[in-house]
Amino acid sequence: EVQLVESGGGLVQPGRSLRLSCAASGFTFDDYAMHWVRQAPGKGLEWVSGISWNSGSIGYADSVKGRFTISRDNAKNSLYLQMNSLRAEDTALYYCAKGGSSSLHGAFDIWGQGTMVTVSS
Amino acid sequence: SYVLTQPPSVSVAPGKTARITCGGNNIGSKSVHWYQQKPGQAPVLVIYYDSDRPSGIPERFSGSNSGNTATLTISRVEAGDEADYYCQVWDSSSDHLFGGGTKLTVL
Repeated sequence: EVQLVESGGGLVQPGRSLRLSCAASGFTFDDYAMHWVRQAPGKGLEWVSGISWNSGSIGYADSVKGRFTISRDNAKNSLYLQMNSLRAEDTALYYCAKGGSSSLHGAFDIWGQGTMVTVSS
Repeated sequence: SYVLTQPPSVSVAPGKTARITCGGNNIGSKSVHWYQQKPGQAPVLVIYYDSDRPSGIPERFSGSNSGNTATLTISRVEAGDEADYYCQVWDSSSDHLFGGGTKLTVL
């Protein structure tokens, strides 16, 4: 069964850091790009960041550029998101999503259940 | 930057056809993907590359894309189709971009 399981969310103060993880199973992880997509409470979907199969191509939304860093460990079938200088507007449910190909383009064909990040003092 | 515009809501009676639009400048030149999200659940891909359907998605779901409008069509709508629907594209200036979402209500 193809599965993505996120972890690492929680309550954090503004300006602090948090690292999200996504454990993948049921498919050949290093064949595909991976992404983080977030959804603020009651709001729509927002793409956060994506990484190609070999980490050769990486992209970020303007809203997180310079603060967030995406990475992956193909040996561990894992995706990560290091979030620094967190702001209240980063409060959201963060989804890990599998790309449909090895490149950053294309659809997100598998999603995890998400991990909640709340930024508040 | 590129903008995708969806109607906030669409209502349809059971058994009828629902059409959800996604507007964007020359969106017909881009590949459009559609997601269904039910309350409390993660999004599910229902249409990719304008009109392809992932395995397990009913044939009642179809897509088209031309000019400035992409359309998700749901035929013979069922109560279980009630959900939020999002369109998504990749654009060189905006990377991945989602529309604001459309709430489909089955009357």
